[in-house]
Amino acid sequence: DAGVIQSPRHEVTEMGQEVTLRCKPISGHDYLFWYRQTMMRGLELLIYFNNNVPIDDSGMPEDRFSAKMPNASFSTLKIQPSEPRDSAVYFCASSMNTEAFFGQGTRLTVV
Amino acid sequence: EDQVTQSPEALRLQEGESSSLNCSYTVSGLRGLFWYRQDPGKGPEFLFTLYSAGEEKEKERLKATLTKKESFLHITAPKPEDSATYLCAVQAVGGKTSGSRLTFGEGTQLTVNP
Repeated sequence: DAGVIQSPRHEVTEMGQEVTLRCKPISGHDYLFWYRQTMMRGLELLIYFNNNVPIDDSGMPEDRFSAKMPNASFSTLKIQPSEPRDSAVYFCASSMNTEAFFGQGTRLTVV
Repeated sequence: EDQVTQSPEALRLQEGESSSLNCSYTVSGLRGLFWYRQDPGKGPEFLFTLYSAGEEKEKERLKATLTKKESFLHITAPKPEDSATYLCAVQAVGGKTSGSRLTFGEGTQLTVNP
């Protein structure tokens, strides 16, 4: 398996624009997590899914953030409208309810 | 609320100088404690899972141990390639809304000089 695949690796966008981050989890994993990493706050869990169903979205910072998992092999994290404080590295991870395996991340810069 | 505290924040060692990293945790019921390694510009890479006090796991120069309140990552005779940020995370026993999430510490940035 190629591991968790995220795209794009880097994204630079202007404030107010919509940003969509994409994730393909490891085949057979039934949990999918979206994390955000910053120097100030470390790794924060935004939302996670079990069998494509959102279970806990309490970490989503505000209504500008939304996440979907239309099927077992694809998830998106959308920010609309984006703001400079959203600049961070966003990681997707998947698991079988034990250790989680992370993608390479998307570095988002909002200018 | 689950909490994970790692110390020190940063550690600089000479090649061959053994040391330990600490991870203190507070969790209602521990399902598992995880150690990850993160290199700059990459995602965290899974190293170990520990499930119960007294358990130990080893991989090359790394050994992880677990007590009821903390975990240690011992690094024996480190090499420059061991330089990375080491992250600790806990998974709590819980219901549907909390049982699967991993709560991470801030990490220890390790630098091993040749």
